[in-house]
Amino acid sequence: AQSVAQPEDQVNVAEGNPLTVKCTYSVSGNPYLFWYVQYPNRGLQFLLKYITGDNLVKGSYGFEAEFNKSQTSFHLKKPSALVSDSALYFCAVRDNTGGFKTIFGAGTRLFVKA
Amino acid sequence: DGGITQSPKYLFRKEGQNVTLSCEQNLNHDAMYWYRQDPGQGLRLIYYSQIVNDFQKGDIAEGYSVSREKKESFPLTVTSAQKNPTAFYLCASRTSGGSTGELFFGEGSRLTVL
Repeated sequence: AQSVAQPEDQVNVAEGNPLTVKCTYSVSGNPYLFWYVQYPNRGLQFLLKYITGDNLVKGSYGFEAEFNKSQTSFHLKKPSALVSDSALYFCAVRDNTGGFKTIFGAGTRLFVKA
Repeated sequence: DGGITQSPKYLFRKEGQNVTLSCEQNLNHDAMYWYRQDPGQGLRLIYYSQIVNDFQKGDIAEGYSVSREKKESFPLTVTSAQKNPTAFYLCASRTSGGSTGELFFGEGSRLTVL
C-alpha cells in the first residue's frame, strides 16, 4: 500500500535562512512524487513534482526538492526562506502503474519568522 | 480562466440532513476527486472518477455519495449516515494521460454540522 510520512508537524525557520521540509514515502513500483502548499482556508496549490530523470527538481516560488531512492525520501528545500512562505505543505505520492489515487501526508506547517 | 469552482464555500447543516457540495471544472480534465481535510490528518480520499458515468470509492466513502453525469461536474452528497461530517472538503481534477499529472484543486467547502 502507498503511504507518505511527514515526520514534522511544524518547522520554524528565520527569514533568509534555508528551509527543509521532510517527506518519506512507500509505494510499490516507481513513485511519482508531488509537493503542494496550502494557505489558510484555501485549496492546495501545486509546487513541483518528480516523475523521472534528474533527482533535483525545481518548482514554483524558488522551491526545489531532492528525490533519494535509497532513502525513499523527497525533501522540500528553499535556499532562503521568506515570511510569505509560511503555510501548510503537503507531500503526496502516486504509483506509476496507472493508478489514479494520490496519497497525501499529514502536512507540515512552516513558520518563517522575520 | 480555467479552474475548479466549488460551492458553497461555507455550509451549515443540522444533524440528519443531507447536503450536496458542488464541484465544476472547465479544464477539460477526465479525472475528478473529492478529499476530506481534518486538522492534523492531511487529505483523505472520499471518491474519485476517471470518466463520465464511472466512479470508485476512496478510503473513507461511507456516508458519502457522488455522481458523474457530465465531464465538468462531480457533486458530493454528505448524507445523514456520515457520523462526523464537519470538515473542509476539497475537489480536485487531473488529466488522465498517464499518471504523471498533478492535481488541480478548488478553493474548498467548509461544512459545519450544528
